[in-house]
Amino acid sequence: KQEVTQIPAALSVPEGENLVLNCSFTDSAIYNLQWFRQDPGKGLTSLLLIQSSQREQTSGRLNASLDKSSGRSTLYIAASQPGDSATYLCAASSGSARQLTFGSGTQLTVLP
Amino acid sequence: GAGVSQSPSNKVTEKGKDVELRCDPISGHTALYWYRQSLGQGLEFLIYFQGNSAPDKSGLPSDRFSAERTGGSVSTLTIQRTQQEDSAVYLCASSLRSGSFSYEQYFGPGTRLTVT
Repeated sequence: KQEVTQIPAALSVPEGENLVLNCSFTDSAIYNLQWFRQDPGKGLTSLLLIQSSQREQTSGRLNASLDKSSGRSTLYIAASQPGDSATYLCAASSGSARQLTFGSGTQLTVLP
Repeated sequence: GAGVSQSPSNKVTEKGKDVELRCDPISGHTALYWYRQSLGQGLEFLIYFQGNSAPDKSGLPSDRFSAERTGGSVSTLTIQRTQQEDSAVYLCASSLRSGSFSYEQYFGPGTRLTVT
């Protein structure tokens, strides 16, 4: 059974800092890995998707990497802004249904 | 274009009542998923539909939960004899699905269910 872990559970940084969020998964037989953002009381916003054959994806100030062999992914956020404050979730797609198994999230606070 | 929509956005029900939650996926998306987000369990997979194939029900927590998808589009998740532990946000997602390639899942805004 796939298990996904995210570290740290919470992170507080001053505006302008670069930061890294970590995600690990136990079963390397994944189809893809997705990073989401969730604002309080809101749904999930997809940030990046990395296919199992890829090593990284970039979108604006966000860069996600994937190392299937070690079961790890990282989300790098450059020049953080207060608007980046949210919970960030990673999810691995695996199984016959290719369902997503989610980590418990990292709650990020960027202080102005 | 329109995203995934869900209704109602909020539902309060009494313990023991049945509820139906609706999901309208993105047009053309053949794969549809239901997930549940609760305080104690995080985000967990419930059920998966792909085209006209039999659904994958491996994530349903009990036989009080069922779902159907009519005409390969709209889906309804039904919870019978609701219990307080069913209180959660129920999220629907849809994606394309083609062969061995795996596409991005797009999520709806969710239905917040409160069982009193």
